[in-house]
Amino acid sequence: ETGVTQTPRHLVMGMTNKKSLKCEQHLGHNAMYWYKQSAKKPLELMFVYNFKEQTENNSVPSRFSPECPNSSHLFLHLHTLQPEDSALYLCASSQEIRANVLTFGAGSRLTVL
Amino acid sequence: DQQVKQNSPSLSVQEGRISILNCDYTNSMFDYFLWYKKYPAEGPTFLISISSIKDKNEDGRFTVFLNKSAKHLSLHIVPSQPGDSAVYFCAANFGNEKLTFGTGTRLTIIP
Repeated sequence: ETGVTQTPRHLVMGMTNKKSLKCEQHLGHNAMYWYKQSAKKPLELMFVYNFKEQTENNSVPSRFSPECPNSSHLFLHLHTLQPEDSALYLCASSQEIRANVLTFGAGSRLTVL
Repeated sequence: DQQVKQNSPSLSVQEGRISILNCDYTNSMFDYFLWYKKYPAEGPTFLISISSIKDKNEDGRFTVFLNKSAKHLSLHIVPSQPGDSAVYFCAANFGNEKLTFGTGTRLTIIP
């Protein structure tokens, strides 16, 4: 596998469920990001990790909980989500933090019922 | 308040003609601008960029123009090909800040 891989590609969950999104990068990059893409809205940066340390939390509600066990893996744990959290969640990586050129995964399409 | 705006949600262009995608920004501090391209079921991929010290950057069929006084960025694709059909995102940043993205423009190339 090359690039940035996200699983699952599609997820449907109820508001009381707990689920996780997984991201893995095979590029040897040091920084990883979670973005949210909602319909007709710009990509919103959620979290930034540099060398597995969180460097930014963009005022994201606590029902989203990121985890970065190492520089290659990033998780987004989801619990008690709201229907308005339905969106495409994109993982990205870059060689250095705050790089302009990011490599994105294909995204996880989340639907909250 | 959106600092990077792509006011055209969609654009259709005949194959072989020029596609022009536009982007406006409000933050005069922005000094680096990028275009990303996204196909369905794939993540955005970097296409081309420009620094604020330039007003044009060209890469093959793709040219990005920057008009700092108008706070306007455009992407020209010449000639347009069916494989160019995608959503195009404009992005900008300055210094060590995070990338700010636009909402995207869906380009459809008509064969």
